[in-house]
Amino acid sequence: GENVEQHPSTLSVQEGDSAVIKCTYSDSASNYFPWYKQELGKRPQLIIDIRSNVGEKKDQRIAVTLNKTAKHFSLHITETQPEDSAVYFCAAIRTNNDMRFGAGTRLTVKP
Amino acid sequence: EAGVTQFPSHSVIEKGQTVTLRCDPISGHDNLYWYRRVMGKEIKFLLHFVKESKQDESGMPNNRFLAERTGGTYSTLKVQPAELEDSGVYFCASSQGTSGRTGQYFGPGTRLTVT
Repeated sequence: GENVEQHPSTLSVQEGDSAVIKCTYSDSASNYFPWYKQELGKRPQLIIDIRSNVGEKKDQRIAVTLNKTAKHFSLHITETQPEDSAVYFCAAIRTNNDMRFGAGTRLTVKP
Repeated sequence: EAGVTQFPSHSVIEKGQTVTLRCDPISGHDNLYWYRRVMGKEIKFLLHFVKESKQDESGMPNNRFLAERTGGTYSTLKVQPAELEDSGVYFCASSQGTSGRTGQYFGPGTRLTVT
């Protein structure tokens, strides 16, 4: 089955700096890669996703890159703000619609 | 449009007791998923319904867990008898697409504590 690894497990940055979270997956059949943000005590929220036919996608301060050959994808947050502090999960999904998550990255943005 | 809802939000039970969790997906979403997150660890897949049918239940830990989705609307997840290691947050999610390439919308979760 699919195995998703996520690094780092914790990340602390200064407000205004960039943050990068990296994930690798094992199943070459995976073709959809969403990222979820979970604030303390709240539900995971989809923040951005990327499909296997593109290499990069950007939405304001958030961008995701995908390298299918190497089977890794990354989340980039620029100009971080304190409200970006949360746990971020990457995930990989195959065509049968089953999603496997990474272990999560706890991001802390210091004001 | 109402989001995914779950009930209860919290449940504290003793080892050996039974608990039933409920999930109401977004109206019209055929796909319904159950996940569990143990403190500090990844969100782990439990199972996936397409309408009332179990598409994949490979993530169910053992036969103490029983999920149902009669009528293809809401779903229940019963744990009987509960063990200490069952503690965690149980999330339900739903999605509309059938191709597997659409986002899943999560419910707020049920925090289960087994003492």
